[in-house]
Amino acid sequence: RKEVEQDPGPFNVPEGATVAFNCTYSNSASQSFFWYRQDCRKEPKLLMSVYSSGNEDGRFTAQLNRASQYISLLIRDSKLSDSATYLCVVRDNQGGKLIFGQGTELSVKP
Amino acid sequence: EAGVTQSPTHLIKTRGQQATLRCSPISGHTSVYWYQQALGLGLQFLLWYDEGEERNRGNFPPRFSGRQFPNYSSELNVNALELEDSALYLCASTRNAGQGFLGYTFGSGTRLTVV
Repeated sequence: RKEVEQDPGPFNVPEGATVAFNCTYSNSASQSFFWYRQDCRKEPKLLMSVYSSGNEDGRFTAQLNRASQYISLLIRDSKLSDSATYLCVVRDNQGGKLIFGQGTELSVKP
Repeated sequence: EAGVTQSPTHLIKTRGQQATLRCSPISGHTSVYWYQQALGLGLQFLLWYDEGEERNRGNFPPRFSGRQFPNYSSELNVNALELEDSALYLCASTRNAGQGFLGYTFGSGTRLTVV
């Protein structure tokens, strides 16, 4: 079983749509969780951290369910510029390394 | 503030040769992480250096090695290159690996092509 699993997509949505990405992780002792965004042939960039209470940043909302070991990202009012691969990331509890999911590809169409 | 810088941007090597990739962390960051991203695959953890020492290593053969210098810059060496080593190699740095960890900042990567 992969340590971090995501639906690879692709998700093809029209502008203005709401889209949700899900992710599960295997290590129940994991402490820190993130969503990163990666544009084609570029480096990943931190989108947002994920907290147990849930957190929102503009059109983006992240949720964490520790009991189910499940992380989600909701994007409202999708823009063309949201087209990218979204990476679910969990921090290894025994050190500093981050464990990345395979990524979910999002394509927002006009 | 300058970001994480990696060099070279692109590198073409022949199978069996050695490749050396370099990374300069953000000023004040002491931890450096290396990842490999092969085409169509996710990021795979390679190595973690902190305060000049190797702290953790991913599931890669010994021909992948590296080091961290006193100024916290780092070098990744790949010996006896194989075709499947062709990938984007990403370096990231953080201030420390302790509490208050806020995620990595990645460099733009070195794209290694083995022919």
